[in-house]
Amino acid sequence: DTAVSQTPKYLVTQMGNDKSIKCEQNLGHDTMYWYKQDSKKFLKIMFSYNNKELIINETVPNRFSPKSPDKAHLNLHINSLELGDSAVYFCASSKRQGASEQYFGPGTRLTVT
Amino acid sequence: ELKVEQNPLFLSMQEGKNYTIYCNYSTTSDRLYWYRQDPGKSLESLFVLLSNGAVKQEGRLMASLDTKARLSTLHITAAVHDLSATYFCAVDNFGNEKLTFGTGTRLTIIP
Repeated sequence: DTAVSQTPKYLVTQMGNDKSIKCEQNLGHDTMYWYKQDSKKFLKIMFSYNNKELIINETVPNRFSPKSPDKAHLNLHINSLELGDSAVYFCASSKRQGASEQYFGPGTRLTVT
Repeated sequence: ELKVEQNPLFLSMQEGKNYTIYCNYSTTSDRLYWYRQDPGKSLESLFVLLSNGAVKQEGRLMASLDTKARLSTLHITAAVHDLSATYFCAVDNFGNEKLTFGTGTRLTIIP
């Protein structure tokens, strides 16, 4: 069984479009995260949710909107996509709020043309 | 703001050799994590270090934490090709409820 899953794995779209990435974890964890990994492999947190409540909202354009329908799911919706949004987006989860060992999903490679 | 630096950024080494990757961080923390990432893959948790002086070993990899020096090391013993990957350290920004990742060290083991 996959612990943290994301869909889609690859996403190619044009500038200006709106797209969503979905994440699900079956570990029973309370906290979920979205990270962005750029072309230089630098990994930076974007959002964190604990039991469906937004905990961390880093300096991210408001075109990015996370949504957590329940504690096992955290989706990321991106409006008006720009070239600079091209990156790999990772979802992760951890047992509790507060930094602890995190388990990462397989990543979604987003390419904006 | 917490800064986490790793060095070297790139490391090419021969099989059978030993080497160490360093992770320095700028503020007080007593929790540090090491992750491995293979090309095009996700991040895999390697070690969780939760106190000063913590040492963990798994196979040819050994990680340690010195919170007073704000330094963690990942030591590779008798490297084998399978260890080729990018290694990240991540530091718990104490009380800030998030991990800050280092820049990563891309390790290539040459036969």
